Amino acid sequence: DTAVSQTPKYLVTQMGNDKSIKCEQNLGHDTMYWYKQDSKKFLKIMFSYNNKELIINETVPNRFSPKSPDKAHLNLHINSLELGDSAVYFCASSHGRTVATGELFFGEGSRLTVL
Amino acid sequence: AQSVAQPEDQVNVAEGNPLTVKCTYSVSGNPYLFWYVQYPNRGLQFLLKYITGDNLVKGSYGFEAEFNKSQTSFHLKKPSALVSDSALYFCAVRVMGGATNKLIFGTGTLLAVQP
Repeated sequence: DTAVSQTPKYLVTQMGNDKSIKCEQNLGHDTMYWYKQDSKKFLKIMFSYNNKELIINETVPNRFSPKSPDKAHLNLHINSLELGDSAVYFCASSHGRTVATGELFFGEGSRLTVL
Repeated sequence: AQSVAQPEDQVNVAEGNPLTVKCTYSVSGNPYLFWYVQYPNRGLQFLLKYITGDNLVKGSYGFEAEFNKSQTSFHLKKPSALVSDSALYFCAVRVMGGATNKLIFGTGTLLAVQP
């Protein structure tokens, strides 16, 4: 069983479209995250949810809207896609509200290409 | 500003030789430091962490890291490199922020082990 699974793995779309990426974890963790990895492999946190509550919201355009229907799921919806949104988006999860233990479990990533 | 730096974009080493991947940090208070590895087209995997205690921390796959407070460094090491160690390595630091914390990642270092 995959611990943190994301769908789709690849997504190619046109500028201006709206798309969603889904994430599910079966580890029983309380906290889930979205990270963006750009073409230079730089990894930046976008959002974090703890038990469906938004706890981290970095300076991300409001075209990006996370949704957590329950603590095992965290989806990312992106409106009006732009070329600069092309990246690999990683979902991750961890136990507890803080990252005191530091061990994040990552999904395999969703590569978004905006044409 | 709290941050973590990886000064080398790439490290090349021959199989069987010792390897070091460098990381320096800048945080207020006691640092919580981590190393993650990313294999091609995969998510990040936790390798090891330093929170407190011995300055030499042992982790997965024979890796270890040395915490040096005076030099604000947390270099990743392995006595004998394997070709299969070739991957992208990220250093990370926990950054405190109100009721929650987050992991800030370095820019990554590509380790290339030649047979």
